[in-house]
Amino acid sequence: DGGITQSPKYLFRKEGQNVTLSCEQNLNHDAMYWYRQDPGQGLRLIYYSQIVNDFQKGDIAEGYSVSREKKESFPLTVTSAQKNPTAFYLCASRRQSYNSPLHFGNGTRLTVT
Amino acid sequence: SQQGEEDPQALSIQEGENATMNCSYKTSINNLQWYRQNSGRGLVHLILIRSNEREKHSGRLRVTLDTSKKSSSLLITASRAADTASYFCATDSSGNTGKLIFGQGTTLQVKP
Repeated sequence: DGGITQSPKYLFRKEGQNVTLSCEQNLNHDAMYWYRQDPGQGLRLIYYSQIVNDFQKGDIAEGYSVSREKKESFPLTVTSAQKNPTAFYLCASRRQSYNSPLHFGNGTRLTVT
Repeated sequence: SQQGEEDPQALSIQEGENATMNCSYKTSINNLQWYRQNSGRGLVHLILIRSNEREKHSGRLRVTLDTSKKSSSLLITASRAADTASYFCATDSSGNTGKLIFGQGTTLQVKP
């Protein structure tokens, strides 16, 4: 079955450490996205990538970094510069970067203490 | 920036009743999409309506789009307890920028 895999489901880190969240898709989608969701809130766009080796900042990119070296993979690094990193992180992909729906992974819940 | 603003924030109804959620947005769009999220899970796509469409149906779901008012509504008819979830609208801005921006969502509770 095709889909998006995010790992791990739960992640715990100490303050000051960088952490990388994994996102892999086997849907052959061109575009991939990272969103952050805080309790009871909507999704806020962190970064997105429309093609391999290219990505754009979303609305809350500060303190995050991404890479898109392969079509299937779009890892997100939460750096120590991110002031409030504890959140639910959702990765998504879609066939093309417009006029198509997003397919979501099941998310990674990151807790930083 | 949140493109979509939804109301109500929360909605509680009895099984069998209809549920209506509204979404307003600010800029020109290519399309508007509705998603559903069960607690602690990823979102699932429900319907995509293009800017040149006014109404779309999928099973018990009916979506309308009024580009002059920059608003959309999602109607769930004959609701079931299994419809309990959060519902989000998302807008694909015109110009094919690739940005898909979500609203704050409506939490729907359907009581059996």
